Amino acid sequence: NAGVMQNPRHLVRRRGQEARLRCSPMKGHSHVYWYRQLPEEGLKFMVYLQKENIIDESGMPKERFSAEFPKEGPSILRIQQVVRGDSAAYFCASSLHYNSPLHFGNGTRLTVT
Amino acid sequence: GIQVEQSPPDLILQEGANSTLRCNFSDSVNNLQWFHQNPWGQLINLFYIPSGTKQNGRLSATTVATERYSLLYISSSQTTDSGVYFCAVEGAGGSEKLVFGKGTKLTVNP
Repeated sequence: NAGVMQNPRHLVRRRGQEARLRCSPMKGHSHVYWYRQLPEEGLKFMVYLQKENIIDESGMPKERFSAEFPKEGPSILRIQQVVRGDSAAYFCASSLHYNSPLHFGNGTRLTVT
Repeated sequence: GIQVEQSPPDLILQEGANSTLRCNFSDSVNNLQWFHQNPWGQLINLFYIPSGTKQNGRLSATTVATERYSLLYISSSQTTDSGVYFCAVEGAGGSEKLVFGKGTKLTVNP
């Protein structure tokens, strides 16, 4: 029973390039959350999605960032024209229902050079 | 939005010692969870505990929702307990997202 799968584990991008982070939730889970963690800090909420719907994107920067969770396939967090400040660990989590235990993937560590 | 404060920020123990980590929150909550982030960065869900008491092996947690705090107890600590412990809450306003505290960094020495 696979957990939440994120890939890639590490991603290096030059300033101005695009970063695509993928997340496959646990089997049967239809609620997906993306969080960002800067070094030595807690996790900051970015976006909450259900299949084909963005429920809450209040934590996501208005520009350059977008997220989707299509009917088929993984959830994608896309960062366009990356800047050094985007360097962080990005975690995806999934849950079976609203207000149920959250399970995290191992994260994608993005480094912008 | 809801505020989450965790204490202490850092804790150093000798193997075998017991400890209590605290999480205070500023408003009523629908949802409260405790997580352990190990030194490799993996986040493990320890407890889903919006109220009451739960136990899992050497770990237990209690949430007193009316007084807006939760406690995580670690007994007979082991070096593998090292890492950062996060409390995360969802306010009763139904924001549908968990807000994380800054964590307690635990170091267990052999």
